[in-house]
Formats: sequence, structure tokens, C-alpha cells
Amino acid sequence: DTEVTQTPKHLVMGMTNKKSLKCEQHMGHRAMYWYKQKAKKPPELMFVYSYEKLSINESVPSRFSPECPNSSLLNLHLHALQPEDSALYLCASRNTLSTRSNNEQFFGPGTRLTVL
Amino acid sequence: SQKIEQNSEALNIQEGKTATLTCNYTNYSPAYLQWYRQDPGRGPVFLLLIRENEKEKRKERLKVTFDTTLKQSLFHITASQPADSATYLCALVNQAGTALIFGKGTTLSVSS
Repeated sequence: DTEVTQTPKHLVMGMTNKKSLKCEQHMGHRAMYWYKQKAKKPPELMFVYSYEKLSINESVPSRFSPECPNSSLLNLHLHALQPEDSALYLCASRNTLSTRSNNEQFFGPGTRLTVL
Repeated sequence: SQKIEQNSEALNIQEGKTATLTCNYTNYSPAYLQWYRQDPGRGPVFLLLIRENEKEKRKERLKVTFDTTLKQSLFHITASQPADSATYLCALVNQAGTALIFGKGTTLSVSS
């Protein structure tokens, strides 16, 4: 299984709502990432988890709260978002174990988030 | 801080021609550089990695070069097809080796 799955595919939420994005992979990858991508822009790194511990937070506002409950799952909890947070949220994973890997990141299809 | 530039936002070519995309970087020397393809509304898909001690890498119709003196990578698609139409992203590993920094991407359109 070489797939990263993300749910939901689309999410519309109001500024007072609380919602969560979910990401799952079963490739045994121990590095997982959240990116935010606006239209016609590159993916922008938000968080990195390494061996289930948060290793990088790119100064992301606290209304985004990541969680890594186990080595296969990554969540992004959303609360009190702003309309400018509307974007495609991408999850990715990377094989940290094989020295022969290309260090490539495997991306999920993303969640299209709209904040009203 | 590390900076990465892809010089064209858009590139239009005819089917059968070779597409050449450019990626330039400044301020440091990455251990490796990657190229990804992204289709609209989808996540990026890894294509190729080239390391700092490699000059060239090939995979089927794809070729990547890496010139550490010029701080530049070129990405070639030979015998291009309409199915190659997509956005191509260049990505560098950061100095700490912990994360990728993406360029803005070049959107390639191949017309038949």
C-alpha cells in the first residue's frame, strides 16, 4: 500500500466551528507533514512529525492544532478559522528508515477547505 | 534564508518537442533537489531526485541536471505529450535536512 489518504475531500466550515482533518498511511513512514497550499502557490510547510513527535512548527497560528496519535495517523484540528485560511491542506509522509530511498514525500490528495 | 526560484510561471509547447524547466536557488548548497508533478486539485507526485554529487539523472522521458556552481537544476521532458500538461515543482531540502522548500512551480501546457 503506497498511498496516503486524507478525509474529508472537501470541508466547508464557519468561523466558529471546530473540525478535524485526517491523514493516514500504512507504509511504515515515521515522518509526516502538513502543508497548506493556496491557488497558484507552492505547498507551504506547516508542521512536521518525526516518530510521532512534533519536530517543526512553522509559526502556525494556534487555531491549527496538529496531533499524531500513532505512526499511521495524523490529524489537524481546526478551530476559529478565518476566511483567509481557505486552501488545500495536504498531508505527506516520508520513509525515514531506508538509506536507499529517494527521500521523496508521498502526498495525499488533500482536503479542500472553505471557511465562510 | 534559502531561496528557490522557477523562472517561468507557464510554458506552452507543441507535442513532440522537448520541454525544459529551470530551477535556481540561492544562499546555500542543498544535499539534493527533487522534482514533483502536480495536477489541479491533487497532491504533488515525486518524479526524480538528484544529489549534489550527480550531474544528471534520467527516468524514461525525463532528465534532470544539477549544476552546483550555477546553483541551477534543469528538468527536461523529451517527446512531450498532452498528458504531460501539469505544474512541475522544484523542491530543495533545507539546511537542517528536515523539510522541503518548494519553488512556485511552472505550469506546462502541451498542445497537440
